[in-house]
Amino acid sequence: QQQVKQSPQSLIVQKGGISIINCAYENTAFDYFPWYQQFPGKGPALLIAIRPDVSEKKEGRFTISFNKSAKQFSLHIMDSQPGDSATYFCAANTPLVFGKGTRLSVIA
Amino acid sequence: DADVTQTPRNRITKTGKRIMLECSQTKGHDRMYWYRQDPGLGLRLIYYSFDVKDINKGEISDGYSVSRQAQAKFSLSLESAIPNQTALYFCATSDSRSGNTEAFFGQGTRLTVV
Repeated sequence: QQQVKQSPQSLIVQKGGISIINCAYENTAFDYFPWYQQFPGKGPALLIAIRPDVSEKKEGRFTISFNKSAKQFSLHIMDSQPGDSATYFCAANTPLVFGKGTRLSVIA
Repeated sequence: DADVTQTPRNRITKTGKRIMLECSQTKGHDRMYWYRQDPGLGLRLIYYSFDVKDINKGEISDGYSVSRQAQAKFSLSLESAIPNQTALYFCATSDSRSGNTEAFFGQGTRLTVV
């Protein structure tokens, strides 16, 4: 049973638009929810993370929204840029359990 | 130099062969992990180690074994490789003592079993 479900699988956004990726988890014991960004040929790298005691965390153009009662969290990328084109993974817990990934393409 | 180094970066091997993938880190982290990445499946945990004397199975440990030779070294072995073990393998580290749960990944090893 997949512990972290991520959608959509792929996303195409216009430059300057908002990219939104969603994740849902099953285990209420999870207490750490990061998003990782992966460029082709590279390992994933931490983008932003949140703990369940807050509902939102913002770092620059990247925001995590967290809904504990719904067991859902999402990544919002404001003013999306071509350089944001990558694969994004939501994850939970330690050791990390990953979603299946979203391939984001930002087109000019 | 990379903080988390995986060797080799690419490997082609034959079915039934034994193969070892190596990971070394200079970050001084106590925790190390092996993940496998397949298209459309994300990253799945194979094994993890929270210190030198600790080894734990992950989600997909069948067909794999690991060795934590030192705090800085964590190797993954395929005792008898099969084609469905063709994948991209990542080693990662994290530090339980810093209060920061961030995992740092290596560049990956692309393994092809023919």
